[in-house]
Order: sequence, then structure tokens, then C-alpha cells
Amino acid sequence: GEDVEQSLFLSVREGDSSVINCTYTDSSSTYLYWYKQEPGAGLQLLTYIFSNMDMKQDQRLTVLLNKKDKHLSLRIADTQTGDSAIYFCAESKENSGYALNFGKGTSLLVTP
Amino acid sequence: NAGVTQTPKFRVLKTGQSMTLLCAQDMNHEYMYWYRQDPGMGLRLIHYSVGEGTTAKGEVPDGYNVSRLKKQNFLLGLESAAPSQTSVYFCASRRQNIEPLHFGNGTRLTVT
Repeated sequence: GEDVEQSLFLSVREGDSSVINCTYTDSSSTYLYWYKQEPGAGLQLLTYIFSNMDMKQDQRLTVLLNKKDKHLSLRIADTQTGDSAIYFCAESKENSGYALNFGKGTSLLVTP
Repeated sequence: NAGVTQTPKFRVLKTGQSMTLLCAQDMNHEYMYWYRQDPGMGLRLIHYSVGEGTTAKGEVPDGYNVSRLKKQNFLLGLESAAPSQTSVYFCASRRQNIEPLHFGNGTRLTVT
């Protein structure tokens, strides 16, 4: 199937902003999602955005959506060491019971 | 309210053995999904169910079978395990098809 693309690694210093980018494939996806996975754990929903929105802000998290380019980004302000994890973006696939189609994940490393 | 519970958490099988992974949710969700996660591959959909008594194939269904006899349970079976099935298996559920997925904590399976 078609791939949701993400860069694999990002390293930032504590206190800086992190921006994780994603290109998705299905323009009919009603919502687009960001999940976080810490080592040895399951996936935790961070935030999601309705496809007719351009931006959503939730505390330190800002999601930007460019529907024309099928581009999604997640900005984490004032990044902390506890934000070190793998971040997945996901789209919804109507032809698979609306299952989420995930990117391969971006591994974020926050250094002191 | 336990959410999505997967059992067992860990298992080691020999090639050719069979086993069943259990996913249980107590949120009265209609939709349930099985994914596998492998390094560098992200999450790939194995099978899914859009309601009690229904199942369908996802992206990587070969070597697996599923059943959804009760709404709250979604079972994933391996009839004859192969080393290529060494993976971390995640179950997820949701109430409606536009809602986020709720994930279990995963089952780590090693096939030797």
C-alpha cells in the first residue's frame, strides 16, 4: 500500500522547539492523528486534527495541516527530556474498516 | 475501566507451535484491530473487525486467523508459528470509525 512518510530521527536540545513532519496519502481521511510511543510501551494518542482545520493547539503541542500538499506537522514547544520517544502520524483508511495507516515513526531524542 | 487489555504480555514459541493472543476491551467499542510492529516497519494491520461476528483481512494477514465471537474480545491465532512472526503485536479498538484508536500495551512474541 501507499506509505505515510516521516523522517526517522530528530535530535533537539532541551528547551528548544521540535517539529516533526509527515506526508500522508489519503485525501479523504476525516481526521489525522499523532501518537507517541515510549520504550516498551503501547501507543498513546497525543492529538488529532479534523481535516477541515488548518491548525490545532493543545498546550505545548501545535498541529499544522496543509491539505493541498497532504502535509501534517507536530510542533512541541519547550521540549523536555521526557518528550524523548517515537512519534507516529496516522491517516484513516476507509477501505480497511477505517483502520489507521501509520508512518514508520520519528524517533525524537532530547538532550540536556 | 481497564481499557484495552492484551494477554499474554510475553511469549516464546518454537517454530510450528500454535497460540492465541487475546484482546479484551471494556468500552463497548464496535471496531477492533490487530497490528504488528517490527523495527523499521512501523505498524502494519493484520486483521480487523467492524463489529461482533465480523472479521476482515488487513495488509499482512497471511499466517494469522482471527475471531470476534463476543463484542468485547478479538482473538488472534497463529496456527503454525514461523520465525518471521517474531514481533510485537498490538490490539486497538474504537467506538466509531472516526474516533482515535485506543491501544493495548502489546504482546511481545518470539518464535525460535
